[in-house]
Amino acid sequence: NAGVTQTPKFQVLKTGQSMTLQCAQDMNHNSMYWYRQDPGMGLRLIYYSASEGTTDKGEVPNGYNVSRLNKREFSLRLESAAPSQTSVYFCASTGGGTSYNEQFFGPGTRLTVL
Amino acid sequence: KQEVTQIPAALSVPEGENLVLNCSFTDSAIYNLQWFRQDPGKGLTSLLLIQSSQREQTSGRLNASLDKSSGRSTLYIAASQPGDSATYLCAVRPYFGNEKLTFGTGTRLTIIP
Repeated sequence: NAGVTQTPKFQVLKTGQSMTLQCAQDMNHNSMYWYRQDPGMGLRLIYYSASEGTTDKGEVPNGYNVSRLNKREFSLRLESAAPSQTSVYFCASTGGGTSYNEQFFGPGTRLTVL
Repeated sequence: KQEVTQIPAALSVPEGENLVLNCSFTDSAIYNLQWFRQDPGKGLTSLLLIQSSQREQTSGRLNASLDKSSGRSTLYIAASQPGDSATYLCAVRPYFGNEKLTFGTGTRLTIIP
């Protein structure tokens, strides 16, 4: 099992450019999440998807869109990047079975917006 | 609004010592609490998950306790090793069906060889 995977690992954008961060999990989890992590601010939830076909806003959704493509994949899109979106982005998933309600994280995407 | 606090923000201890990390939360109506570790430049690794009906969970040298009524959880690390150096975060889930975890800002632990 690869767990939660994210691409790309690093990205540099110019203000106004767009990009999509990709996330996939192979644990058959229902719920998936996107967080950003900033120094002094901790982890903040951007969007989450409780099941395939549903998405909901988290604490800081402005400037982002998401797509739950299927049960495995959950993407985060920045339509017009701004310097304030410079951050480390983490995808996570939660499921059932022996790890019921336990949240697992991907390795992160380090994004710089110039 | 739930707030999660971890004090101190940083802690240094000599190798071999036992230590306790603290996590406090303002709303005791939680579904579960999870402890993570994060190494520099890496993602979060789940350490222990405690359901609201449980008092503690153990994994190897780690023991996490939960006292809902006082809004506190502790992570006990026995016989600390340099490899334990990392940032430790706790997160609470408010209730079943609510997907929004609230995270503390973490305690950065350094084990001195």
